[in-house]
Amino acid sequence: GESVGLHLPTLSVQEGDNSIINCAYSNSASDYFIWYKQESGKGPQFIIDIRSNMDKRQGQRVTVLLNKTVKHLSLQIAATQPGDSAVYFCAENYPGGTSYGKLTFGQGTILTVHP
Amino acid sequence: DAGVTQSPTHLIKTRGQQVTLRCSPKSGHDTVSWYQQALGQGPQFIFQYYEEEERQRGNFPDRFSGHQFPNYSSELNVNALLLGDSALYLCASSLQFRETQYFGPGTRLLVL
Repeated sequence: GESVGLHLPTLSVQEGDNSIINCAYSNSASDYFIWYKQESGKGPQFIIDIRSNMDKRQGQRVTVLLNKTVKHLSLQIAATQPGDSAVYFCAENYPGGTSYGKLTFGQGTILTVHP
Repeated sequence: DAGVTQSPTHLIKTRGQQVTLRCSPKSGHDTVSWYQQALGQGPQFIFQYYEEEERQRGNFPDRFSGHQFPNYSSELNVNALLLGDSALYLCASSLQFRETQYFGPGTRLLVL
């Protein structure tokens, strides 16, 4: 079935360090991936997305890497700040039949940034 | 430019009752998806509405139903509430069902 999982449930870093959050997905036919950040008591906030015809995409302080060979997705955050502390989710979309737009989420990684 | 809004923010109900949650999509968006997020877990897809019709549905019972209005806003209805329905209910909107989904702040439902 379709599933998305994360390798590490928690990650603690020092302010200023670079952070890397990993995600494994199981459906090789998935063609669209999104990273969301969720702070306590709030809804998920869009960070960055990538389509399967790309292997890297950069945003402001964030980079998403996609390795389709091993079905792996990662989010890199440069110069991590205390405000980056949150739960990070990866989500995939599998374009099978009518399921486009149905996002499947992983369990999440808790990122804690220490001042 | 207003983002996705949801109401109410919090709600307490008892078992067997019915609840209606509301969502207004981001300006310019026409597709609304609903998700349930249990504590400590990722969001689970409930269903999606586009052009006032339910386009697809996740693995949720018929007690969960919805509606989309001509102005693209949407409602989620849950009948015969169970304790296990306690969760954060999230609404996400997008420009057509193929594009990036943006989430609202959610409605926290507690069933006693």
